[in-house]
Amino acid sequence: EVQLVESGGGLVQPGGSLRLSCAASGFTFRSYWMHWVRQVPGKGLEWVSRINSDGTSTTYADSVKVRFTISRDNAENTLFLQMSSLRAEDTAVYYCIRGGEGNSYGAWGYWGQGTLVTVSS
Amino acid sequence: QTVVTQEPSLTVSPGGTVTLTCASSTGAVTSGYYPNWFQQKPGQAPRALIYSTTNKHSWTPARFSGSLLGGKAALTLSGVQPEDEAEYYCLLYYGGAWVFGGGTTLTVL
Repeated sequence: EVQLVESGGGLVQPGGSLRLSCAASGFTFRSYWMHWVRQVPGKGLEWVSRINSDGTSTTYADSVKVRFTISRDNAENTLFLQMSSLRAEDTAVYYCIRGGEGNSYGAWGYWGQGTLVTVSS
Repeated sequence: QTVVTQEPSLTVSPGGTVTLTCASSTGAVTSGYYPNWFQQKPGQAPRALIYSTTNKHSWTPARFSGSLLGGKAALTLSGVQPEDEAEYYCLLYYGGAWVFGGGTTLTVL
């Protein structure tokens, strides 16, 4: 059974940093591209970032570019999102998603349950 | 800035058929945008329904189908059930980046 379990969310002050993790199981993690998506409570979905299978290629939404860094540890089957210079508008539930197998455009099939990040003083 | 547009809300009767669409500000949506569709119910994470325009996941009910229609991606629900009341999001691929539509609130009434 494919499982994605996010952790690391919480309350952080504006300008602060936070690192999210996503523990993957039930599939060959190193074969899949992975994504982060966020959702302000009560609002729509926003794609945040993606990383390729071996971690050598990443892309970001303009809203988080330079401030966020996506990475992965294929030995530990874990995806990360390092967030810095956090702003109030980064407050959202952050989801980890399994993307395509070996490609950038493949099926988005599995989502984690999400972890809430609140940026407030 | 690329914008993906969906109907804000639609209402359908139980047993009826409804089509949700997904348009791109860059022009006609083609299969090269690899449209995905997701369903989200209150308090839950989104659930994948359709990928690469027409393909269903193993858990996708048969009443859901994806297509291209008039330059847009489309999600059709045939024989709507009360449990289909939810928010639906489309997702399009722009060669390295992905953009979600604003979502369609589907009411079954």
